[in-house]
Amino acid sequence: GQSLEQPSEVTAVEGAIVQINCTYQTSGFYGLSWYQQHDGGAPTFLSYNALDGLEETGRFSSFLSRSDSYGYLLLQELQMKDSASYFCAVRGYGGATNKLIFGTGTLLAVQP
Amino acid sequence: GAGVSQSPSNKVTEKGKDVELRCDPISGHTALYWYRQSLGQGLEFLIYFQGNSAPDKSGLPSDRFSAERTGGSVSTLTIQRTQQEDSAVYLCASSSSGGQPQHFGDGTRLSIL
Repeated sequence: GQSLEQPSEVTAVEGAIVQINCTYQTSGFYGLSWYQQHDGGAPTFLSYNALDGLEETGRFSSFLSRSDSYGYLLLQELQMKDSASYFCAVRGYGGATNKLIFGTGTLLAVQP
Repeated sequence: GAGVSQSPSNKVTEKGKDVELRCDPISGHTALYWYRQSLGQGLEFLIYFQGNSAPDKSGLPSDRFSAERTGGSVSTLTIQRTQQEDSAVYLCASSSSGGQPQHFGDGTRLSIL
């Protein structure tokens, strides 16, 4: 099976840097994705790591280490609008499917 | 349309009734997915379509749940004889055939009384 674990809640202040971790147990996968979801809204795609290493997209960066079964999302220069839930997700091997397996989600609260 | 459209946005129904949820994907996206999200929880995969075929139905929780897709576009998720545990937000997503990234709709919030 596949499971992805994340911290349930993280709190940080405006302007700071925060890291949201994702540890996983899976037999294999194509890549690690990150999605943001504001309360009551649609999940929106943030970042994708197909290979090990760091991917940077503006204020957001994502990292993957397959050898450590670990990834993280790094948010810099935090803004109040970054308060949301963040989910890591993998697309696994096996079968004719593109389904995503989502992590447990992290609720980020940005304080002034 | 510009994004994935789902209807209705909210649905309240009595236990035992049937419900139909609709998803209109992004034009040109061949892949379509249904997920379910219970309050404060992560997203749970239900079914995946490539074109009009569903090669992965492994997430459907019971035979009361079914889905179809026609014309390689609109999809309908049907829940028969609804139960209270079916209450959740049902999210639809679409993507190109490569599967990445997936673009989500705003969901249908289903409440079973």
